[in-house]
Amino acid sequence: KNQVEQSPQSLIILEGKNCTLQCNYTVSPFSNLRWYKQDTGRGPVSLTIMTFSENTKSNGRYTATLDADTKQSSLHITASQLSDSASYICVVRWEERRGSYIPTFGRGTSLIVHP
Amino acid sequence: GAGVSQTPSNKVTEKGKYVELRCDPISGHTALYWYRQSLGQGPEFLIYFQGTGAADDSGLPNDRFFAVRPEGSVSTLKIQRTERGDSAVYLCASSTTSSGQSINEQFFGPGTRLTVL
Repeated sequence: KNQVEQSPQSLIILEGKNCTLQCNYTVSPFSNLRWYKQDTGRGPVSLTIMTFSENTKSNGRYTATLDADTKQSSLHITASQLSDSASYICVVRWEERRGSYIPTFGRGTSLIVHP
Repeated sequence: GAGVSQTPSNKVTEKGKYVELRCDPISGHTALYWYRQSLGQGPEFLIYFQGTGAADDSGLPNDRFFAVRPEGSVSTLKIQRTERGDSAVYLCASSTTSSGQSINEQFFGPGTRLTVL
């Protein structure tokens, strides 16, 4: 079964600190991987997207890495801000059948940044 | 507003009733997705449309769930004989295309919170 596992489930850090969120997947065949940020009561917003050939992608203070061999991805947040408090969801897209690419969502990591 | 909108934002209904949830995608977006998100979980894929047709409905949990997009823009998710287990946030997303290995970004609406008593 195609799965996306994220860790930790929740994380509390102080403002200004860095943190790294993990995503492991068993999805196959792999198409692409996205990290989303979801604020409470809002829909997810895309942060980064990575394809099979990409190892690192940055978006401001967010840097995502991908190791397609070990099927692992990480999202690193630098110099955290209070507004980073949100759920971070890893989404892996796979080919269910020819021409049909389905996204599988992880449960998310809930990040709380304290002042 | 240029974003995806969903109505109603909240819906409370009784077990056994019929509900309709509406999604207005971003103008010009041909692909439209429906997801269901339970508390503490990531979104679960239900169905996506490419234009007016349901390109993949493999995520619909059972035949009580049905979605339409008659003119290739607005979509309605319909749930018959609602059950308490249907309570969740129903998210809609749209993108410019969903064909093949397209990696076009999906833009999400704020969701409709459905509560079945």
